[in-house]
Amino acid sequence: DAGVIQSPRHEVTEMGQEVTLRCKPISGHNSLFWYRQTMMRGLELLIYFNNNVPIDDSGMPEDRFSAKMPNASFSTLKIQPSEPRDSAVYFCASSLQGAVYEQYFGPGTRLTVT
Amino acid sequence: AQKITQTQPGMFVQEKEAVTLDCTYDTSDPSYGLFWYKQPSSGEMIFLIYQGSYDQQNATEGRYSLNFQKARKSANLVISASQLGDSAMYFCAMRDTTGKLIFGQGTTLQVKP
Repeated sequence: DAGVIQSPRHEVTEMGQEVTLRCKPISGHNSLFWYRQTMMRGLELLIYFNNNVPIDDSGMPEDRFSAKMPNASFSTLKIQPSEPRDSAVYFCASSLQGAVYEQYFGPGTRLTVT
Repeated sequence: AQKITQTQPGMFVQEKEAVTLDCTYDTSDPSYGLFWYKQPSSGEMIFLIYQGSYDQQNATEGRYSLNFQKARKSANLVISASQLGDSAMYFCAMRDTTGKLIFGQGTTLQVKP
């Protein structure tokens, strides 16, 4: 079975450029999560969706960040304009809805903004 | 507010010995789930074990067991018979009824041969 798929795996971009990260959740999962991991702040939840609807985006750092889930099999996280402090590993995870279900993580996208 | 605390930034253990990684949590929700994830140096996040707040027995998965003490709000991970491949960062996490997963800061485990 295919796990959570993320693309690209690595992204290097210049400050001010738009960055789009993509995620395909595990088929049948109805919850999708975007996390950011940095040395300083650890793993932070940015936003999550249940049944394609954003439920909590309180972790999104600022207006430069936006996320969409147009259908059950695809989500994007966009940063516009990007800044060096956005450099991090961005993980997408999916699960069945509910507290008892584990989240399965994608391999992550390592973003470097110069 | 919900919170997960892992007080051990780094741990060492001798190969073949057991090790306990500490985790305490804080929540006012009666229903929640507790999870442990492993992150090796390659970076992926691997689910290890789950404990539900209403579960009466401690969860076990192979060499992993979760020492769940609800009154003390602790959910320590026990790894028995450590192997070199267990060297990694370990994260404790709590999921509430809304589905949010909150992570601790992680514990780096080094297994010595």
